Amino acid sequence: DTAVSQTPKYLVTQMGNDKSIKCEQNLGHDTMYWYKQDSKKFLKIMFSYNNKELIINETVPNRFSPKSPDKAHLNLHINSLELGDSAVYFCASSPGAGGGYTFGSGTRLTVV
Amino acid sequence: GENVEQHPSTLSVQEGDSAVIKCTYSDSASNYFPWYKQELGKRPQLIIDIRSNVGEKKDQRIAVTLNKTAKHFSLHITETQPEDSAVYFCAGLRGGSEKLVFGKGTKLTVNP
Repeated sequence: DTAVSQTPKYLVTQMGNDKSIKCEQNLGHDTMYWYKQDSKKFLKIMFSYNNKELIINETVPNRFSPKSPDKAHLNLHINSLELGDSAVYFCASSPGAGGGYTFGSGTRLTVV
Repeated sequence: GENVEQHPSTLSVQEGDSAVIKCTYSDSASNYFPWYKQELGKRPQLIIDIRSNVGEKKDQRIAVTLNKTAKHFSLHITETQPEDSAVYFCAGLRGGSEKLVFGKGTKLTVNP
């Protein structure tokens, strides 16, 4: 069973569209994250939720809105997509208190 | 906030040689330092981690050392093999925080 699964794996869309990425973990972790990996491979945190509560919100445009319906799910909705949003988006989870992250397989978003 | 610097950005070694990747961190309250390996097109995967109450940890061909005074930690890979070729990320986590901050990555190439 995949520990952290995210869908879709690939997403190609036009500028101005709205899209969502879904993430689910079956590890029983309390904390989930969204990271963005740009073309230079830099991993930058965007958001973190602990048991459905937003605990980290980095300087991300408000076109990005995370939603956590329960502690096993963390979705990312992006409005009015721009070319610069093209990247790989990774979902991750951790047990918290300095436990290691488990990453999902990533969603490669391409905005054309 | 925490800042993690990683070097070198690229490293090329011959099969069988050792590889060393170094990271420095800025936040003296950081107490957890994981290392991730990311193969091309795949997710980052935790390979080893160290907490601030130990100075060294070893797992087969991989070892991590931590110098709290100097605020730096290093990954050592011995007897490198072509399958060790990947991008390696160090990271640091401040105690009580859920925000794991990554270095910019080191692309390791092991030449057969």
